[in-house]
Amino acid sequence: GNSVTQMEGPVTLSEEAFLTINCTYTATGYPSLFWYVQYPGEGLQLLLKATKADDKGSNKGFEATYRKETTSFHLEKGSVQVSDSAVYFCALSDQRLTGGGNKLTFGTGTQLKVEL
Amino acid sequence: KAGVTQTPRYLIKTRGQQVTLSCSPISGHRSVSWYQQTPGQGLQFLFEYFSETQRNKGNFPGRFSGRQFSNSRSEMNVSTLELGDSALYLCASKGNAGNNEQFFGPGTRLTVL
Repeated sequence: GNSVTQMEGPVTLSEEAFLTINCTYTATGYPSLFWYVQYPGEGLQLLLKATKADDKGSNKGFEATYRKETTSFHLEKGSVQVSDSAVYFCALSDQRLTGGGNKLTFGTGTQLKVEL
Repeated sequence: KAGVTQTPRYLIKTRGQQVTLSCSPISGHRSVSWYQQTPGQGLQFLFEYFSETQRNKGNFPGRFSGRQFSNSRSEMNVSTLELGDSALYLCASKGNAGNNEQFFGPGTRLTVL
């Protein structure tokens, strides 16, 4: 079945440091890939997405490129801020479900802590 | 446009009881999915409803059930609650276009004592 593997956290960085959170996946076919962010006490917010190989998703300074050859979708940001502190989830969506349904398979999440 | 809303936000129940959680999707969205989030198991897919029909189901026991109404609002029910059912239950809605983005609600925090 489908699976997503993320790097273990927590990741602690100083403000303005470079961020990379690794994500690799296993899936049949051509899934769409997502990064979601969860702030304390809240639900999930979509951060960015990519729907096909070599697509680059970007939002709020975050970027991730869909690499089919390495089955990866690593999240990067050039300069993190304290406000980026949250839990980040990598996920994939397989469109080839019965009836064309929707199901997200998530990684375990990576907690990011940014300090001044 | 209003986002996904879930009620109640917090709930405390005791073992053996049952609980019903509610989710109102974004206006116009017909797909509603439910996820369970726990520290041990992470985020796991429960089921998806589309136009009042269950379209996909995760690997949860039959104590977990759901339904969807004609206005796309969805409820999930957990019967005979167990301590391990304590979790954040998240609902997500999706539009009808080819875009497969799902929008999540704030969740219902269920504590089973």
